Amino acid sequence: GAVVSQHPSWVICKSGTSVKIECRSLDFQATTMFWYRQFPKQSLMLMATSNEGSKATYEQGVEKDKFLINHASLTLSTLTVTSAHPEDSSFYICSARDPSNEQFFGPGTRLTVL
Amino acid sequence: GNSVTQMEGPVTLSEEAFLTINCTYTATGYPSLFWYVQYPGEGLQLLLKATKADDKGSNKGFEATYRKETTSFHLEKGSVQVSDSAVHFCALLSGNTPLVFGKGTRLSVIA
Repeated sequence: GAVVSQHPSWVICKSGTSVKIECRSLDFQATTMFWYRQFPKQSLMLMATSNEGSKATYEQGVEKDKFLINHASLTLSTLTVTSAHPEDSSFYICSARDPSNEQFFGPGTRLTVL
Repeated sequence: GNSVTQMEGPVTLSEEAFLTINCTYTATGYPSLFWYVQYPGEGLQLLLKATKADDKGSNKGFEATYRKETTSFHLEKGSVQVSDSAVHFCALLSGNTPLVFGKGTRLSVIA
């Protein structure tokens, strides 16, 4: 099946700093990518839908100025958590949709903000 | 709107026991249905899927049948193994909208 990678797999940062997470579709072009957030022992919460070359569509309650999403190419989307705080600590998972409309998931990035 | 409801866990079983995790859905149109599995500290992996009514998805001994009349997609396995311990998510996809997930069911299989 198709492969989606995320980098880094884990990151620890100080409060107030910004963190960038990359999501790449390795063997297919993804016109649409999704960013999810998952709290411990909970389901995935969709944060935003990202279409190549256009602005991301954020879900209700997700601050677009805090979670900056850039989908600059058909194989790369980035999520930047700006001015991170401890409450932003979470597991972030990206997903990419292939031309057959199937979604493939990255391995996730665990963010810990001290 | 579209939604997925799955049985709450955790589910704890002995090795070789029979597993059923219930999943029902609400959707407009004719969605595709999925089961994903998440092992500790990892992302989601597609376990199986079904794209139309009466289809049966199967993989690694797991099965689920798309039942339109009962709007269900229950996950079953005849004999679970310790390696099946994970969180299982039922999901649906309708049109171009993002996947809609259930809350997940944590399965623990003990030897």
